[in-house]
Amino acid sequence: DAGVTQSPTHLIKTRGQQVTLRCSPKSGHDTVSWYQQALGQGPQFIFQYYEEEERQRGNFPDRFSGHQFPNYSSELNVNALLLGDSALYLCASSPPSLTGYTFGSGTRLTVV
Amino acid sequence: EDQVTQSPEALRLQEGESSSLNCSYTVSGLRGLFWYRQDPGKGPEFLFTLYSAGEEKEKERLKATLTKKESFLHITAPKPEDSATYLCAVQAGTGTYKYIFGTGTRLKVLA
Repeated sequence: DAGVTQSPTHLIKTRGQQVTLRCSPKSGHDTVSWYQQALGQGPQFIFQYYEEEERQRGNFPDRFSGHQFPNYSSELNVNALLLGDSALYLCASSPPSLTGYTFGSGTRLTVV
Repeated sequence: EDQVTQSPEALRLQEGESSSLNCSYTVSGLRGLFWYRQDPGKGPEFLFTLYSAGEEKEKERLKATLTKKESFLHITAPKPEDSATYLCAVQAGTGTYKYIFGTGTRLKVLA
C-alpha cells in the first residue's frame, strides 16, 4: 500500500520564480494538508484541502496557493519566490475520520 | 494564542539509558495530541494519538502519556536506531483542522 507520494524530492529555484509541488495522498484518504518546515523547526501549517476546496489556511501570504483534484491529489504553488521560502515542504493526507495525518517524505526547496 | 513547547531541545543517551521527553501545551479545547518521529530529510512518521488526560499508549520501547497541561514520551532502554527528532503536535478548537507543532527534541542514542 503506497503511502503519501510527493514530487519532486529536491528543487532549486531562483528568487522571483514560481514553483509547483505535487502530492498524491495515501489510498483511502480524501483530505490533503500542506506544511512548511524550516531547518531545525517544527512544521508550520499552510492550508488544507477537502472536496477540492481550501478548508483552512494558516498564516501564509497569498503567494502560496493550492489545488485539489477529483482524485484527491494536490498541488502547492508558490509565486515570486523569496530566499525565506527555502524549506522542506510536507504533504499530509488523512482519512474521512480525520484521525491523524500520514506525511510524505517532503520536497526540499532551495531558493537562490 | 495556542502554543506547544518541547523540552529538552536535544538529548544524548547511552544505549539502555531510559529517559523522557516533554511536550507542554497551552491551547483552548484540546482535540488531540500527536507524537511523530522524524529522521533527517524525511517526513514525520506517526507514533501516537492521545485524546484525554490520563490516556496512555505504548509501542515497543515508547510510551506516551497525557495530562491536562503536558505529554511525556518515555523511552525505555533505547537503542541507536531510536535516534531521531521527536515532534509533538496538537489539534485544538472547534472547526479547526491544523496541527500546531513544537520544535522537536533531537535524540541521539550512543552504542
